[in-house]
Amino acid sequence: AQTVTQSQPEMSVQEAETVTLSCTYDTSENNYYLFWYKQPPSRQMILVIRQEAYKQQNATENRFSVNFQKAAKSFSLKISDSQLGDTAMYFCAFIFNTNAGKSTFGDGTTLTVKP
Amino acid sequence: DAGITQSPRHKVTETGTPVTLRCHQTENHRYMYWYRQDPGHGLRLIHYSYGVKDTDKGEVSDGYSVSRSKTEDFLLTLESATSSQTSVYFCAIWGGRDEQFFGPGTRLTVL
Repeated sequence: AQTVTQSQPEMSVQEAETVTLSCTYDTSENNYYLFWYKQPPSRQMILVIRQEAYKQQNATENRFSVNFQKAAKSFSLKISDSQLGDTAMYFCAFIFNTNAGKSTFGDGTTLTVKP
Repeated sequence: DAGITQSPRHKVTETGTPVTLRCHQTENHRYMYWYRQDPGHGLRLIHYSYGVKDTDKGEVSDGYSVSRSKTEDFLLTLESATSSQTSVYFCAIWGGRDEQFFGPGTRLTVL
């Protein structure tokens, strides 16, 4: 079974600074997806960014980018120019591409952006 | 939001009573899922469906059953609720761009 580990339960960053959230996973599969989700106090799960394992290029979405290291099974999220609205819990998730979308989630990192 | 709604959004019930949560989607997606989220943890898969009347178990399925009689509706039933089932329940769909989208969640409290 695959596992996802987020080793930083809590992090904080000053507004406008850059922060990196870490995620590692364990799998013997070769084809899969990795996701970062944001969960603000409203509880809504919001997709932040997605990475396909077969793509070597790191995904980017505006201020959000990932550092995907397949051999090391590492998938970190970098948030640039942090904003107060980025305060939330962030979850890393793993899905086999043939696993009908069944996700395995990490336990989350609570990020606080300070003014 | 991928057209996913959940009802009810909040429910308080007593131990031993049956509870049914409903997930409704408007975009005809084939795959639907039920997850639970407990404090300090990520989401864990309870059951999922890959079509009308086609369902399968996830990692924490004990005490739960599901049904899908129409493409748009996926029901989660707790036959006899227990305090350990107090949680936030999320429904999700697998979208056309290989992305998973979630409903707004249902907070269930079992006293």
